[in-house]
Amino acid sequence: EVQLLESGGGLVQPGGSLRLSCAASGFTFTNYGMSWVRQAPGKGLEWVSGVTGSGATTYYADSVKGRFTISRDNSQKTLYLQMSSLRADDTAVYYCARVYGGGSIGAFDIWGEGTMVTVSS
Amino acid sequence: SYGLTQPPSVSVAPGQTATITCGGNNIGGKSVHWYQQRPGQAPVLVVYNDRDRPSGIPERFSGSNSGNTATLTISRVEAGDEADYYCQVWDIIGDHVVLGGGTKLTVL
Repeated sequence: EVQLLESGGGLVQPGGSLRLSCAASGFTFTNYGMSWVRQAPGKGLEWVSGVTGSGATTYYADSVKGRFTISRDNSQKTLYLQMSSLRADDTAVYYCARVYGGGSIGAFDIWGEGTMVTVSS
Repeated sequence: SYGLTQPPSVSVAPGQTATITCGGNNIGGKSVHWYQQRPGQAPVLVVYNDRDRPSGIPERFSGSNSGNTATLTISRVEAGDEADYYCQVWDIIGDHVVLGGGTKLTVL
């Protein structure tokens, strides 16, 4: 079964750091671009960052550029999001998502269940 | 930066047709994808590349895209279709994924 499982969320103080992980199973991980998408409480979806299958190219939303870093370990079939200088408006459920069809950009056909990040003192 | 505009809400009676729009500058030149998100759940892809359906998505879901408006059409609406719907494109200028603000579909 194709599956994505996020972990690493929690409560962190403003200015702090956190690393999210997304474990993939059921497909050839290296063949697919991946992204992180977040959703603040009661709000819509917001794309955060994306990475190509090889990990060579990364993309970031302006709201997180310079603070977040996306990476992947294809040998461990795991996607990461290193978040630093966290702010209250980074509070959200963070989803990892797979790009459909093996491309680097496109629709997200598989989503994880999400992990909650709360930034508060 | 590129923006997508969706109506905040759409209401429809069971059995009728729901139309959800996604507006953007020359969006007809882009590939549009649509997601359904039920409360408390992760999003689900329902239409990709303007009009294609993933395996398992009913034929009642269809999409179109032309000019400055993309449209998700849900025929013979059921109570289970009540959810938030989001459109998405790739902004090639900014190398960004762009998501619409979402439309809440209410089945009366």
